[in-house]
Amino acid sequence: GQQLNQSPQSMFIQEGEDVSMNCTSSSIFNTWLWYKQDPGEGPVLLIALYKAGELTSNGRLTAQFGITRKDSFLNISASIPSDVGIYFCAGRGGNQFYFGTGTSLTVIP
Amino acid sequence: GAVVSQHPSWVICKSGTSVKIECRSLDFQATTMFWYRQFPKQSLMLMATSNEGSKATYEQGVEKDKFLINHASLTLSTLTVTSAHPEDSSFYICSAIRTAGVGNIQYFGAGTRLSVL
Repeated sequence: GQQLNQSPQSMFIQEGEDVSMNCTSSSIFNTWLWYKQDPGEGPVLLIALYKAGELTSNGRLTAQFGITRKDSFLNISASIPSDVGIYFCAGRGGNQFYFGTGTSLTVIP
Repeated sequence: GAVVSQHPSWVICKSGTSVKIECRSLDFQATTMFWYRQFPKQSLMLMATSNEGSKATYEQGVEKDKFLINHASLTLSTLTVTSAHPEDSSFYICSAIRTAGVGNIQYFGAGTRLSVL
């Protein structure tokens, strides 16, 4: 199936720094979702976005649904060691969900 | 707390045996569930869409006779890996669609790590 373009593929940052990652698609989506996956676990939903232009926060996380409905970004502010993991975006078009390739985040204490 | 329960979390089996993995939606009904396979450091690969009361829809390249899916109730889907071989060793993850007020959200189980000896 279709996969979304997610970047960057990996990030190594110092604790306390802000992080930004994004996803782009060639298709228009009705919903954008951001997940975090820890090793050996299933993805856990972080933020769900339903409308173009929507900006939603969840603690130190902020995500936006792009105006064109073909992209979304996730920001993490003041990163901490437990932010380590793989972050996936997902877009819903019709009844199908498509996933990004993932961003691996490493936070250096 | 978890909204999708997946069991078992880890299974080791001998080559040639069959393994069943269960996926349950907790406190909501899911007419649609998905089964994914994930290789190390890679994204999720959709294997099939499980529809309650009807046959599953398999993605291209996924053998339906090898990966049997049964969605017998609105809260339970099962994936059976038949005659498992070492190349079937992987991380399998299920998900269920929960209808929210403004849209649908996909929630994931914690995954099942299958090791075939």
